[in-house]
Amino acid sequence: DQQVKQNSPSLSVQEGRISILNCDYTNSMFDYFLWYKKYPAEGPTFLISISSIKDKNEDGRFTVFLNKSAKHLSLHIVPSQPGDSAVYFCAASAEVSNYQLIWGAGTKLIIKP
Amino acid sequence: DSGVTQTPKHLITATGQRVTLRCSPRSGDLSVYWYQQSLDQGLQFLIQYYNGEERAKGNILERFSAQQFPDLHSELNLSSLELGDSALYFCASSAQGVGYNEQFFGPGTRLTVL
Repeated sequence: DQQVKQNSPSLSVQEGRISILNCDYTNSMFDYFLWYKKYPAEGPTFLISISSIKDKNEDGRFTVFLNKSAKHLSLHIVPSQPGDSAVYFCAASAEVSNYQLIWGAGTKLIIKP
Repeated sequence: DSGVTQTPKHLITATGQRVTLRCSPRSGDLSVYWYQQSLDQGLQFLIQYYNGEERAKGNILERFSAQQFPDLHSELNLSSLELGDSALYFCASSAQGVGYNEQFFGPGTRLTVL
């Protein structure tokens, strides 16, 4: 039973264009959502997060949108750069579960020059 | 560099064997988390320790155990290994144990069971 789903295993985007990574969840108790980025042979690194009381959070080129009614969040990267090529994981947590992180399977983003 | 170290980087062993993975958290962090990542899957939370005490348990098999020592480093023990235990094992640390705190990940240990 996957509570957090990233349905696109990979995504290819031209350099300079917008990258949109999607994530769906099933558990309505989730109240905090995060995106992590992972390069090969490294551990995941935190990118950006959003609380369920917000619908948007922005940090430089990265924006996360949350649609609670659709149980959907997305990560927008504008403009996409070659260094953005990595695997992106969506994770969700709930206060009632002591903020244990539940992870999606990841989306591999490839930025083409 | 996240400040979290894990040893060894790679481990190759046979079925039925036992191995120990080691993690040193970032300086000052009291919480340590262990995750397993199998091929093309997301990270599965195994267990969390906070200041030496077990704080939360996830999908950790009975053949697996962990502990956090007084110096805050942690070890994950995997025994009676099976082929399906082959995976990347990540350790993460965070500052506190209550509420959400950003987790910083080590580079992982790749375990191969033959």
